[in-house]
Amino acid sequence: SQKIEQNSEALNIQEGKTATLTCNYTNYSPAYLQWYRQDPGRGPVFLLLIRENEKEKRKERLKVTFDTTLKQSLFHITASQPADSATYLCAPTGGGNKLTFGTGTQLKVEL
Amino acid sequence: ETGVTQTPRHLVMGMTNKKSLKCEQHLGHNAMYWYKQSAKKPLELMFVYSLEERVENNSVPSRFSPECPNSSHLFLHLHTLQPEDSALYLCASSPSFRANEQFFGPGTRLTVL
Repeated sequence: SQKIEQNSEALNIQEGKTATLTCNYTNYSPAYLQWYRQDPGRGPVFLLLIRENEKEKRKERLKVTFDTTLKQSLFHITASQPADSATYLCAPTGGGNKLTFGTGTQLKVEL
Repeated sequence: ETGVTQTPRHLVMGMTNKKSLKCEQHLGHNAMYWYKQSAKKPLELMFVYSLEERVENNSVPSRFSPECPNSSHLFLHLHTLQPEDSALYLCASSPSFRANEQFFGPGTRLTVL
């Protein structure tokens, strides 16, 4: 069956460093992959989408890579700030728009 | 906020109660979704509506009954729920069912006693 794995343990980093979050998937070939941010008690907010024929996508301090051979996406936040603290969800997606989400990785950026 | 509103934000109900969750989107989208988010579990897609027609029903128990009277409104009717149904229920919308980005509401935190 399809499986999505994100680091279940919280990632703690120091302000100004680069945070790298991992999303691994098995047993399917998504046409694209989305990343969302979720704050406690709130709905997810869309951040970036990368397609299977794209290796890398950037938006301001965010960078996403997509390796279809490794079946992995990496999500980077450069020059991290305490305001970046949140849970980040990946959603590899096949045809249509039926999003399948990972459990998310909690990021804590400390001063 | 994202243009998708949900009411109520918090709901406590007994197992014999009947209640409804409401979602409204002000974005002119044609597709709407219900998700369930339980602690330590990924978001689970429950229902999808496209142009007011249900296009997806992910083996959800019949005690959850969705209704989409128009493309801007989505309801989730609840009856005889179980304590394990306690979760955050999220509504989302997208321009169309095939569109990529989904816009989520703030969710309704449901507690079943």
